[in-house]
Amino acid sequence: AQKVTQAQTEISVVEKEDVTLDCVYETRDTTYYLFWYKQPPSGELVFLIRRNSFDEQNEISGRYSWNFQKSTSSFNFTITASQVVDSAVYFCALSGNTGGFKTIFGAGTRLFVKA
Amino acid sequence: IAGITQAPTSQILAAGRRMTLRCTQDMRHNAMYWYRQDLGLGLRLIHYSNTAGTTGKGEVPDGYSVSRANTDDFPLTLASAVPSQTSVYFCASSEASGSLNEQFFGPGTRLTVL
Repeated sequence: AQKVTQAQTEISVVEKEDVTLDCVYETRDTTYYLFWYKQPPSGELVFLIRRNSFDEQNEISGRYSWNFQKSTSSFNFTITASQVVDSAVYFCALSGNTGGFKTIFGAGTRLFVKA
Repeated sequence: IAGITQAPTSQILAAGRRMTLRCTQDMRHNAMYWYRQDLGLGLRLIHYSNTAGTTGKGEVPDGYSVSRANTDDFPLTLASAVPSQTSVYFCASSEASGSLNEQFFGPGTRLTVL
């Protein structure tokens, strides 16, 4: 069975703080993809990043960075120097061969960034 | 503007009534999905369609049905609504149904069943 766990339900930080959102996954697939999506207060989910299981290189995009570690089945997301506009719910997701490529989402982490 | 549209934006419905949530995409994506979002549970897949003319069941399909008569439209029908179907419903699409494809989401429909 595939599973995605986001243990942090809510996180509150002050602007300019760094914050890491945790994601732990379970899968028996050898080939799979991991995703992060952002859901701002407007409600529409927005794709942030995709990682395949063969690529453990960390990725940085501006203030966002992702740390993928197969040894711990984790795909954590760090926001550096957080801003109020980062306030949103963030979802980690997993898609693999098992289950016909259907994407499994975690429960989400709500991030509050206070000015 | 390219993307996914959903209608209605919100709806209050009496239990037992039939309701169809509409979803249209203009990106010519092959795959489409319906999710429901409930607090603490994230997004759960209701039904999906890999291509026009085919549909499949997701994680929570009971009480819902879908059809995919063409590439653009993927309506979700609640035959006889119950209060447990109160939720926010998101339609999504992806270029193909493979695991590597990111999904594009609509703005959601907030449904309340009384």
